Amino acid sequence: GENVEQHPSTLSVQEGDSAVIKCTYSDSASNYFPWYKQELGKGPQLIIDIRSNVGEKKDQRIAVTLNKTAKHFSLHITETQPEDSAVYFCGSGTNAGKSTFGDGTTLTVKP
Amino acid sequence: DTEVTQTPKHLVMGMTNKKSLKCEQHMGHRAMYWYKQKAKKPPELMFVYSYEKLSINESVPSRFSPECPNSSLLNLHLHALQPEDSALYLCASSQVRSGASTEAFFGQGTRLTVV
Repeated sequence: GENVEQHPSTLSVQEGDSAVIKCTYSDSASNYFPWYKQELGKGPQLIIDIRSNVGEKKDQRIAVTLNKTAKHFSLHITETQPEDSAVYFCGSGTNAGKSTFGDGTTLTVKP
Repeated sequence: DTEVTQTPKHLVMGMTNKKSLKCEQHMGHRAMYWYKQKAKKPPELMFVYSYEKLSINESVPSRFSPECPNSSLLNLHLHALQPEDSALYLCASSQVRSGASTEAFFGQGTRLTVV
């Protein structure tokens, strides 16, 4: 089955700095790569996603890049704010509609 | 309405009890999912329903029994659970799109404690 590795497990940045979280996947059939933000006591919320026919996608301060050849994808958050503090999960999905998640990154943005 | 509503938010049950978790969405999504999430871990897929039919069961023990009565509702029936089944149970829904995975909308979860 699919295996998704996510790094780092914890990340602490100063407000205004950038944060980068990286994931690798194993299943070459994966074609959908979502990023979810989960705040304490809440369910995961999609913040951005990318499909395998696209190399990069941006939405305001958030961007995702995909390298299909290397099976890597990354989340970039610029101008971080304290409210960006949460656990972030990357995911990898196939046509079957299943998503396998990475182990998560706990991001702390210090004011 | 982009909400997935789960009830109850919290549930404490004994190992001999029978209880049910409920999930509802009104986005017209025809795929619905149950995930289990332990503390500091990612969600783990349990079941997938597509057009009200069970399409994926990730080798989940039979003490968990899913049900999809209609396109808006998803239930998870619980019976004879063990303390290690204590976790956050998440429901999600998505469109069914041929040839591609699609965004999943998650509910807030039910925090289950088995005593």
